[in-house]
Amino acid sequence: EAGVVQSPRYKIIEKKQPVAFWCNPISGHNTLYWYRQNLGQGPELLIRYENEEAVDDSQLPKDRFSAERLKGVDSTLKIQPAELGDSAVYLCASSSWGGANTGELFFGEGSRLTVL
Amino acid sequence: QKEVEQNSGPLSVPEGAIASLNCTYSDRGSQSFFWYRQYSGKSPELIMSIYSNGDKEDGRFTAQLNKASQYVSLLIRDSQPSDSATYLCAVFLSSGSARQLTFGSGTQLTVLP
Repeated sequence: EAGVVQSPRYKIIEKKQPVAFWCNPISGHNTLYWYRQNLGQGPELLIRYENEEAVDDSQLPKDRFSAERLKGVDSTLKIQPAELGDSAVYLCASSSWGGANTGELFFGEGSRLTVL
Repeated sequence: QKEVEQNSGPLSVPEGAIASLNCTYSDRGSQSFFWYRQYSGKSPELIMSIYSNGDKEDGRFTAQLNKASQYVSLLIRDSQPSDSATYLCAVFLSSGSARQLTFGSGTQLTVLP
């Protein structure tokens, strides 16, 4: 079974430029999460989807961040414009319905963003 | 006060020793508890879950939960150099329609050959 797939793995941009990250969850997993992990810290939730509905986006900086999950499968996280403080690893995770009710998540390899 | 606190380490143990990793959490309503392992440059990988008070053993790993003390621990017996990684404690809380998995900052473990 394929795991959570993310792209790109690495991205280097200058500040004020836009950037987008893509995620394909494990087949059959209806819950999808975007986390941000700063160096030396644990992951912090940005947004959680159940199917195509964003059910928790309270930690998403909505002035510059946006996300979508069309058709309830793949998801895209966008930052526009990027700031220096956005440099981090952006992790996508998915869970089954049961996993979403217990907290068992499966993570992708992450997208490492460097903003210069 | 952080919701999930871990000793940041780094923690070093010799090969074959027992590594003990600790975690405390602030919300008494927390329901599920997890340990994720994260190798350098890699994504977190779930290695243990525990839902009720007591011990849960899986191979060389034992998770311990004490809800009264709001304390979770992970013991790694017969530590191997391949166990060298950052271990993240995660705590799950479900309330109404809200579901929240909160991670600690992680403890970096080094197992010395």
